[in-house]
Amino acid sequence: GQQVMQIPQYQHVQEGEDFTTYCNSSTTLSNIQWYKQRPGGHPVFLIQLVKSGEVKKQKRLTFQFGEAKKNSSLHITATQTTDVGTYFCAGEGSRGAQKLVFGQGTRLTINP
Amino acid sequence: AAGVIQSPRHLIKEKRETATLKCYPIPRHDTVYWYQQGPGQDPQFLISFYEKMQSDKGSIPDRFSAQQFSDYHSELNMSSLELGDSALYFCASSFSGSTGELFFGEGSRLTVL
Repeated sequence: GQQVMQIPQYQHVQEGEDFTTYCNSSTTLSNIQWYKQRPGGHPVFLIQLVKSGEVKKQKRLTFQFGEAKKNSSLHITATQTTDVGTYFCAGEGSRGAQKLVFGQGTRLTINP
Repeated sequence: AAGVIQSPRHLIKEKRETATLKCYPIPRHDTVYWYQQGPGQDPQFLISFYEKMQSDKGSIPDRFSAQQFSDYHSELNMSSLELGDSALYFCASSFSGSTGELFFGEGSRLTVL
C-alpha cells in the first residue's frame, strides 16, 4: 500500500536558524498536503501542492512538490518560537480517494 | 466559523469494554475521516465516509466499526477494547468540491486500563 516517509523525525534548532523537512512517497501522488500540529493540539492544514514541480510560499515557509510527484519538502527560514510543533506531510494517491496517508512527522523544537 | 466537533473529549475504559466516539463535521462537508494517533506517532487512517457511504478503509481493526448518519454525523464504535487502543482519535471533515483540505476536530483521548 501507499507509504509516506518523512525525515528527520526530530529537529532542534536555535531561533533564527533555518529548518527543512523532507517527505517521500512510495507511489506517485495526486497531491500532497502539509499540516502542523502543536503540542497537545490537532493537525492544522498549511497548504496543498498539486502540480509537478510546484513551489508555494507562505511568509517564511516554502513548500515544494517534486517533478515526479513523489517527494516534497517544507523549508522554514529564520525559525521563530511560534514555529514549534510537528510538521506532517500527507499524500493522496488518487484524486478523490478520500484517504490521506500521513508521514511520520518531524518534531521541531527551538532554543530561544 | 463552525469547526469539527468531537465527543467525548476524554474517555476512560477498562479492557474488553466498548466505547463510542462521535463526530459532527463542519456543515456542508460531505466527507468524514477517522484517524488514530498514538503518543509520538503520526495519525493513522482508519476509515472514511463520503455522502454517508464508506469510501475507504485503512488500518481499522475488525473490533471497530463506524458509520455516518443521515445528518452527516459519524460514530466510531470500538469493542473488546485492548490496552493498545489507548490513543487520540481524530475526526476530520472535508468538502469534495474544494481543495481537499482536512479540517480536524480536537480529538477524543481514549485511555484503556
